[in-house]
Amino acid sequence: DTGVSQDPRHKITKRGQNVTFRCDPISEHNRLYWYRQTLGQGPEFLTYFQNEAQLEKSRLLSDRFSAERPKGSFSTLEIQRTEQGDSAMYLCASSSRGGPSVYGYTFGSGTRLTVV
Amino acid sequence: SQQGEEDPQALSIQEGENATMNCSYKTSINNLQWYRQNSGRGLVHLILIRSNEREKHSGRLRVTLDTSKKSSSLLITASRAADTASYFCATDEAGGGNKLTFGTGTQLKVEL
Repeated sequence: DTGVSQDPRHKITKRGQNVTFRCDPISEHNRLYWYRQTLGQGPEFLTYFQNEAQLEKSRLLSDRFSAERPKGSFSTLEIQRTEQGDSAMYLCASSSRGGPSVYGYTFGSGTRLTVV
Repeated sequence: SQQGEEDPQALSIQEGENATMNCSYKTSINNLQWYRQNSGRGLVHLILIRSNEREKHSGRLRVTLDTSKKSSSLLITASRAADTASYFCATDEAGGGNKLTFGTGTQLKVEL
């Protein structure tokens, strides 16, 4: 499979629990992005990696959120002490060295988080 | 934050008709892109138009860009039921740091 993979597809968790999502980008892509999408809205930028370096973080990414991309391959997004407001679709996207300005993004299918 | 506003929010047409969606944005851009999202899935890249281009075609898709009005339109000709999806514009902002900012989307329903 040469697409962007996200795991799990769905996650239901109790408020206060920690959750971790994984994203495997297209292997040749050095840029990896995390977005959050709530119902009826467009994706909102969370953070961006070029190789293993986290180059930008949105103000949406509170202290409870952390993302890593060890060795510049897969990435994880962890949410600590989840709140009901964290319920959303978490989308991962990757792009090639030319960046989104040349080829756009390739998105994964997303992880839908429900906090109960 | 959302860069763009899309209009209409929802559109329902019959198969074979044309669908037009509009996107307005706020800042200077390097390019503007359109994506499609089927229900509960990830987004799929459709087309990219650079700031120095005014019109671009890809199959049944036609995109226009007016940088003086900070607006773009996506036309889908001869629509099919399979075109039913949400459509988002995304801007690559000048000086925006290699990331895309998405609009609020148009929900298109194509009925048989």
